[in-house]
Amino acid sequence: DGGITQSPKYLFRKEGQNVTLSCEQNLNHDAMYWYRQDPGQGLRLIYYSQIVNDFQKGDIAEGYSVSREKKESFPLTVTSAQKNPTAFYLCASSSQRGNSPLHFGNGTRLTVT
Amino acid sequence: GENVEQHPSTLSVQEGDSAVIKCTYSDSASNYFPWYKQELGKRPQLIIDIRSNVGEKKDQRIAVTLNKTAKHFSLHITETQPEDSAVYFCAPRHRDDKIIFGKGTRLHILP
Repeated sequence: DGGITQSPKYLFRKEGQNVTLSCEQNLNHDAMYWYRQDPGQGLRLIYYSQIVNDFQKGDIAEGYSVSREKKESFPLTVTSAQKNPTAFYLCASSSQRGNSPLHFGNGTRLTVT
Repeated sequence: GENVEQHPSTLSVQEGDSAVIKCTYSDSASNYFPWYKQELGKRPQLIIDIRSNVGEKKDQRIAVTLNKTAKHFSLHITETQPEDSAVYFCAPRHRDDKIIFGKGTRLHILP
């Protein structure tokens, strides 16, 4: 069954710790994306990757880092430099053909105290 | 940089009436125009999309219209039902595959 898997569903961390959110897809998609969603808000783009070993900053990349060593995987690290890390994080992927929709994972809800 | 504006931010319509949400974008190279629906606590899901070579697409009660000259596209929902209550997002695909979402429209269907 093809899809995108984000883990874990809920994550709790203490302030000052780095934390890595997992995103894996088996849809053979070239492009992958990370979005952040705050309560009652829209989706804001953190980072995206069009191809292995390459990625671009989105609108709110500060305090985050990513890697794209494999086509299937695009982990997001929330560093201690991110001032307000508590949020709902959504990973998505898409065929790189220009007219393809995003397929989303179920999200990870991160709480930092 | 790319800019995506979505209006209105909140919309309340009587059940059975129509709803229209508009999305304006800035990148003239955009070539793919989808609408996503997000229910509370769930991931966004595609409900309809349109490519840049057509002006309108319809799928039962849902339609999308595109005006590339004016750089906007709209979501139309007719004969609204309670299950249409959700948040709707536009997310045009920009050059280099960058995808920016509008801020969303919370649609309330009133009984």
